[in-house]
This record gives sequence, C-alpha cells and structure tokens, in this order.
Amino acid sequence: DTGVSQDPRHKITKRGQNVTFRCDPISEHNRLYWYRQTLGQGPEFLTYFQNEAQLEKSRLLSDRFSAERPKGSFSTLEIQRTEQGDSAMYLCASSFGRGTEAFFGQGTRLTVV
Amino acid sequence: SQQGEEDPQALSIQEGENATMNCSYKTSINNLQWYRQNSGRGLVHLILIRSNEREKHSGRLRVTLDTSKKSSSLLITASRAADTASYFCATDLAGGTSYGKLTFGQGTILTVHP
Repeated sequence: DTGVSQDPRHKITKRGQNVTFRCDPISEHNRLYWYRQTLGQGPEFLTYFQNEAQLEKSRLLSDRFSAERPKGSFSTLEIQRTEQGDSAMYLCASSFGRGTEAFFGQGTRLTVV
Repeated sequence: SQQGEEDPQALSIQEGENATMNCSYKTSINNLQWYRQNSGRGLVHLILIRSNEREKHSGRLRVTLDTSKKSSSLLITASRAADTASYFCATDLAGGTSYGKLTFGQGTILTVHP
C-alpha cells in the first residue's frame, strides 16, 4: 500500500522564484485534490481533477498557480513568481469515485524567503 | 469561509479519559469525514459518516451525526498519549460539481497527558 506520495517534503525558495510540486495519488483513485494549509488553520481547497480533467478551481488559486494532471495519473502544482504569502503546507489528496474517503499525502511545506 | 467549526478549539485531558469534539456546519452535506493531524504532518483519515447515517464506530472512535442540527461529534474513548494531535471535521457538500471537495473546520487541538 503506497498511499498518496508528495515530493518534495520541504521546499525553501526565494521570493520571485517558480516552484513545482508533485503528487502521486493512490493508483486506482480517479479524483485528485490540492489543498493549502497555513499554521493553525484547517486545509483550504485549491483545485481538483477527475481523471485528467480539472473540474473546479478555488478563487484562492490566483493566475500564478497552475495545476496539471496529464493522463489522469500524477499531478503537478506550479507556483510562479512566489510571494511570502505563498508560504504554507500544500496537501494532495485522492479518492475513488463520489462520496468516498479522501486520503492525504504528507504534504509539501513551502517557505518563501 | 470555512464550513465547519470545531468545538472546543483546544482540549487537555489525562490518559484514560474520554475526549469529545464537536463539529457544526452550515449547509447540506453528502458526508462528513474526521481526520487527525500530528504536528507538521499530513492528515490521517479516521471515519466517514454519510448523511443518512447517525452513528459509526471504529475501534476507540465513535462518530455521531445529527443532520437536523447540522452537527457531528467525535468521541475517543480511553485516550492515550499517542492520541495527541489536531482533529478536523470536513464536509462534502451536497449537490453541484463540488461532490468530493472537502471543506474543513479549524480543528480541535487535543493534548493527552500521560
């Protein structure tokens, strides 16, 4: 059981740089979600995919953020021109079908200096 | 804005005692899920309860759901120091294309003292 895998676990970047995170969902799961969590808060929804289709994007996802899920397998989340306010834990989750449990990865902690 | 609100925000108990956390939400749901998060780590799924269910058990965990009051509770019996973590409820809202998207509360920080 490999679970949801995220890479890297930690990323420190300078303001203005671009960063990309990767998520590998549980293999049979067709739905993939990205969330962002700041200290002391619950996770906030960013976007989700059903297979390769991006079905919903939160207003939190500015134009500097882009997510892809080519071929409906792994997903990447890219942040361009990072800002200090982007510092957070970025969590990926996957689920199979509608109304089922969503399983989370360990997250990527981003620090923008 | 966050859909769910957990109560209390923090709970401190002794090992062996029971811990009860509550979650309230605002709109109709398909299901409600409880998660645990240890400091700086990912979320671990605990229990999913569907809108047509009233109670579910898993080991030392008991979850209830009252859709008329739009509330849920998580009971951890015979708590252990290893249960120390933040606990979140998350709602899967009914209807539309958001099926499966989870909306989280701010969590309850549980501390179990040995």
